[in-house]
Amino acid sequence: QSVLTQPPSMSGAPGQRVTISCTGSSSDIGAGYDVHWYQLLPGTAPKLLIFGNNNRPSGVPARFSGSKSGTSASLAITGLQSEDEAYYYCQSFDSNLGGVFGGGTKLTVL
Amino acid sequence: QIHLQEAGPGLVKTSETLSLTCSVSGYSISTGYYWGWVRRSPGRGLQWIGSVFHRGTSYYNPSLKSRVALSVDTTKNQFSLRLTSVTAADTAVYYCARLSYDRRGSFWFDSWGQGTQVTASS
Repeated sequence: QSVLTQPPSMSGAPGQRVTISCTGSSSDIGAGYDVHWYQLLPGTAPKLLIFGNNNRPSGVPARFSGSKSGTSASLAITGLQSEDEAYYYCQSFDSNLGGVFGGGTKLTVL
Repeated sequence: QIHLQEAGPGLVKTSETLSLTCSVSGYSISTGYYWGWVRRSPGRGLQWIGSVFHRGTSYYNPSLKSRVALSVDTTKNQFSLRLTSVTAADTAVYYCARLSYDRRGSFWFDSWGQGTQVTASS
């Protein structure tokens, strides 16, 4: 039902690298609009992880990186840590719909 | 350090109006930026509701536009959400946030409140 498509769940062991995909269309990501990523932890305010496809706000570890190509984008997390267990959402823009999100990916650290 | 905090009733009767306020500290709303609301429900993930500029210009999600109104009170450094004719489908965690925009009109949410659970029930 979400405009952008993400895998519902992913998992990885501590220290590993995981990549979360975000697939859109020619109306949003493919139209050249940037992709942004958020981390949601229970009971805390959502956190901006990546903005403008591959930019990290100050304070976000370099372990988090973003990329975009065509109608898709990815969030990569290297050196996975237990505190990375959270929900991750991608977001972009559609000129008709406004702000659009992915359905979210629950990341489990094994 | 900017801080946003949502406030409002946790329970709203169906067909009635949901009203939430976001109090901002550490930054003056009248300085600039757009301010907005996002909700998260189990069946839908995150959904952008709308955004409002400190001078009153607003943009809404087309799917909610007929029922939503956002406003700003710069004297209290707050902004508010009104959602009319609520149904069970409006049950969600509601977040307020500050938006950053790029030159194309695209935006992202750079600071968020913790969120408040709102349940719509008869």
